[in-house]
Amino acid sequence: DADVTQTPRNRITKTGKRIMLECSQTKGHDRMYWYRQDPGLGLRLIYYSFDVKDINKGEISDGYSVSRQAQAKFSLSLESAIPNQTALYFCATSGGVAFEETQYFGPGTRLLVL
Amino acid sequence: DQQVKQNSPSLSVQEGRISILNCDYTNSMFDYFLWYKKYPAEGPTFLISISSIKDKNEDGRFTVFLNKSAKHLSLHIVPSQPGDSAVYFCAATITSGSRLTFGEGTQLTVNP
Repeated sequence: DADVTQTPRNRITKTGKRIMLECSQTKGHDRMYWYRQDPGLGLRLIYYSFDVKDINKGEISDGYSVSRQAQAKFSLSLESAIPNQTALYFCATSGGVAFEETQYFGPGTRLLVL
Repeated sequence: DQQVKQNSPSLSVQEGRISILNCDYTNSMFDYFLWYKKYPAEGPTFLISISSIKDKNEDGRFTVFLNKSAKHLSLHIVPSQPGDSAVYFCAATITSGSRLTFGEGTQLTVNP
């Protein structure tokens, strides 16, 4: 079984709709992250959380919100989707040991906003 | 402000030869660097890392070199294999900051 899972894997939605992307992990890590990937721009950080009560904005948080429901679950919401939010979204985790900087990624969610 | 840059969007090499992927950074506070590999329809997977206290780290066919004065790192793959064809991302962080800053990625194609 995968350590970091994301649902759905693919999603098509319309402008103005609210959608939620979900991430679950079985690695026992405290830290979780949401990134988006766009062609030519690499991976950009949207939000991150160091534990259940900690939520931090990344470099491109506008138009997004998150919820850390439990240590193992971190959800990303688009309150009112717009076409330029069409991208590949990745969840990641880290933190198994002190100073562990390596992040482990889920398989991604491909989102198309029409 | 792109703090981590991979200036080559693509690289093509022959099987058995060396692949060299380059990455430059601007933030002198970065002290830990990582390379990730990404296949289509999969998430990035960790490949190799290096701390700023070192200038070289090897793991099998993969070696990462760090030149702090030039703010430059490179990933060498020797010998290259067709299965190495993927997008490679370099990333940088300030230790314990837990935020990775990624480059744009380089698509490596290894031709049989």
